[in-house]
Amino acid sequence: EVQLVESGGGLVKPGGSLRLSCAASGFTFSSYSMNWVRQAPGKGLEWVSSISSSSSYIYYADSVKGRFTISRDNAKNSLYLQMNSLRAEDTAVYYCARDLCSGGSCGAFDIWGQGTMVTVSS
Amino acid sequence: DIQMTQSPSSVSASVGDRVTITCRASQGISSWLAWYQQKPGKAPKLLIYAASSLQSGVPSRFSGSGSGTDFTLTISSLQPEDFATYYCQQANSFPPLTFGGGTKVEIK
Repeated sequence: EVQLVESGGGLVKPGGSLRLSCAASGFTFSSYSMNWVRQAPGKGLEWVSSISSSSSYIYYADSVKGRFTISRDNAKNSLYLQMNSLRAEDTAVYYCARDLCSGGSCGAFDIWGQGTMVTVSS
Repeated sequence: DIQMTQSPSSVSASVGDRVTITCRASQGISSWLAWYQQKPGKAPKLLIYAASSLQSGVPSRFSGSGSGTDFTLTISSLQPEDFATYYCQQANSFPPLTFGGGTKVEIK
């Protein structure tokens, strides 16, 4: 079964750090671009970051640039999001999502994890 | 950045109704548009990509059309399991990749 499972969410104080992980299974992880998308409570979807299959191309939303770092380990079939200098406005469910197209980027996401909640509060 | 504007923000409809949701891009995005369905507490589900291509496993009552700046998602005959929130998303000008604000389809 094709699956993405996030972990690492939790409660953190403003200014703190958290590292999210996304474990992939059931497909050739190293062939796909991967992404993080977040959703604040009661709000819409917000793209956070993308990384190409070989980590050659990395992109961030302006709202997280300089604070968040996306990475992947193809040997471990895992995607990561290192989040530093967290703010209250980073509170959200964080989803990892697979790009639809193997070997490139279609910009559509066909496989999503169940999400992990990050709460930034004192 | 390209802004994506969905309308309406919510719609009340009955089972069997035809429902149309519109998404407008602030500038042309060719056919780089996807539609997602999200139910409460669940991850989004890809319905349509490349503006009109039906994702595998998605019922044929869902269809997408449009190119450039104006796009539509149509549900030809609304089913009970279709009550959800729908989002459009552009991938033409990237980064950033941007989503519309969502359209909630509610039971009338």
